[in-house]
Amino acid sequence: EAGVAQSPRYKIIEKRQSVAFWCNPISGHATLYWYQQILGQGPKLLIQFQNNGVVDDSQLPKDRFSAERLKGVDSTLKIQPAKLEDSAVYLCASSFDRVNTEAFFGQGTRLTVV
Amino acid sequence: RKEVEQDPGPFNVPEGATVAFNCTYSNSASQSFFWYRQDCRKEPKLLMSVYSSGNEDGRFTAQLNRASQYISLLIRDSKLSDSATYLCVVNRYNTDKLIFGTGTRLQVFP
Repeated sequence: EAGVAQSPRYKIIEKRQSVAFWCNPISGHATLYWYQQILGQGPKLLIQFQNNGVVDDSQLPKDRFSAERLKGVDSTLKIQPAKLEDSAVYLCASSFDRVNTEAFFGQGTRLTVV
Repeated sequence: RKEVEQDPGPFNVPEGATVAFNCTYSNSASQSFFWYRQDCRKEPKLLMSVYSSGNEDGRFTAQLNRASQYISLLIRDSKLSDSATYLCVVNRYNTDKLIFGTGTRLQVFP
C-alpha cells in the first residue's frame, strides 16, 4: 500500500516569498491533516479536512496560510508571504476516519525561510 | 496550560534498563490516546494505542488513568534502537483533533 506522499522534500525561500506544499493521502482515507513541526517541538495541527470540508482550522494563521483539498483527495498548503518563523517541517497525515484510527504521516517538507 | 504535556527529557539510559514516560492531558473530554515514535528527521509513526484496560506489546506497556488524566509508556529491556522521541497523542471526540505533546527524547547507550 502506498503511503502518504508529500512534495517537495526541501524548500528554501526568502522571507516575503510564497511557497506551496502538496500532499497525496493514502487512497480511501477521508481525513487529512496538516501539521507544522518546529525543531524540538511536537507537531502542531494547522488544519484538518474531512473529505473536502474543513473540520478545524483554528490554529491556521489565515492572514498568510491557506489550504485546500480539492475533490476530497490531494491537498495543498500555501504560505504567502513567508516569515522567518515559518521555518519548520510541514507534515501531512491521513487517516481512514476521524476517531480511534491511526494517522499515517508523510515524510514532510522541510521549509527554511531566510 | 498546554492540552498535552510531556517531560521533554532527554532520558539517557543504558541498554537493558527499564524506562517510563508520563503524559498528562487537560481536557477530560479526550477519548482516544496514542503513543507515536519519531526518529530523528523522520515522520511520526504509531507505536501503540492506549486502551482503558492498559495494553502491552512486547517490551512496551501503555496505561491510561482517566481519573488523574495521564497516560504512561513503559519500555522494558531497552535497546539501542529504542532511541527516539516518543510523542503522546490525544484525540478529543467532540472535535476529532489529534493533539500532540512536545515529545520525550530517549537515548539508550551501550
